[in-house]
Amino acid sequence: NAGVIQTPRHKVTGKGQEATLWCEPISGHSAVFWYRQTIVQGLEFLTYFRNQAPIDDSGMPKERFSAQMPNQSHSTLKIQSTQPQDSAVYLCASSLGGGNYAEQFFGPGTRLTVL
Amino acid sequence: QQQVRQSPQSLTVWEGETAILNCSYEDSTFNYFPWYQQFPGEGPALLISIRSVSDKKEDGRFTIFFNKREKKLSLHITDSQPGDSATYFCAAPNSAGNKLTFGIGTRVLVRP
Repeated sequence: NAGVIQTPRHKVTGKGQEATLWCEPISGHSAVFWYRQTIVQGLEFLTYFRNQAPIDDSGMPKERFSAQMPNQSHSTLKIQSTQPQDSAVYLCASSLGGGNYAEQFFGPGTRLTVL
Repeated sequence: QQQVRQSPQSLTVWEGETAILNCSYEDSTFNYFPWYQQFPGEGPALLISIRSVSDKKEDGRFTIFFNKREKKLSLHITDSQPGDSATYFCAAPNSAGNKLTFGIGTRVLVRP
C-alpha cells in the first residue's frame, strides 16, 4: 500500500498562472479531503468528496479554487490566476468512510510557491 | 474564532523527560479528538485519539488526558526520545465525523 500519493511534491508558479495539484487516494477509500497548511493559519479544511461526489466545499475560497474527483482513483485541486497568498502546502487525505470518525490518512503534500 | 487551541507553540525537553502538550476547544458538540504527529516534509499521521466518553487514553508512551467539563485535553509523551521531535496537532471533527478542525500545533524538540 503506497499510501496517499500527491503530485507534484513542489510547484512554483508565477503570479496569475494556473496550478493543478493531483491526489491519488488509498485504494478502496471512499472519502477524499483537501487541506491547506501555512505557518500563519495552520491546517485548514478546503473540501471533501465521498464516492466521488462533492459533499462539503465550505473551506474553498469562492474564487479561483476548484476541485474535482472524476474517478475513484484521483482528485485534482485547481487554482486559477494564482496569487502569492496561495503559497502553502496543499494536503490530500483519504479515509475508508466519510463519517463515523474514520481515520484520515494524509499524503506528503504539494508545496506551492507563487512568485 | 479558533475552535481548537493549542499551547505551547513550541516545547523543548531533554531525552527521558515528559513533554506535556495542551489543547482546548470551544464547540461542545466535539466528542472525538485525534492527535496527529507531523515530521518535516511529511503529511500528518494519526498518533492517538480519544472519545469524550473517556477521560484517559494510553498508547505506549503517549497518553491523552481529557477534561470534558473544562473542554481541555493534554497529550503526555513520557520518556521522550529524539525521534519524537515533531509537530503535534490536536484536532476535532464536525458532528458528521468527517471535516477536521486542527489546532495550530505544538512543535516539540527532544534534545539527546
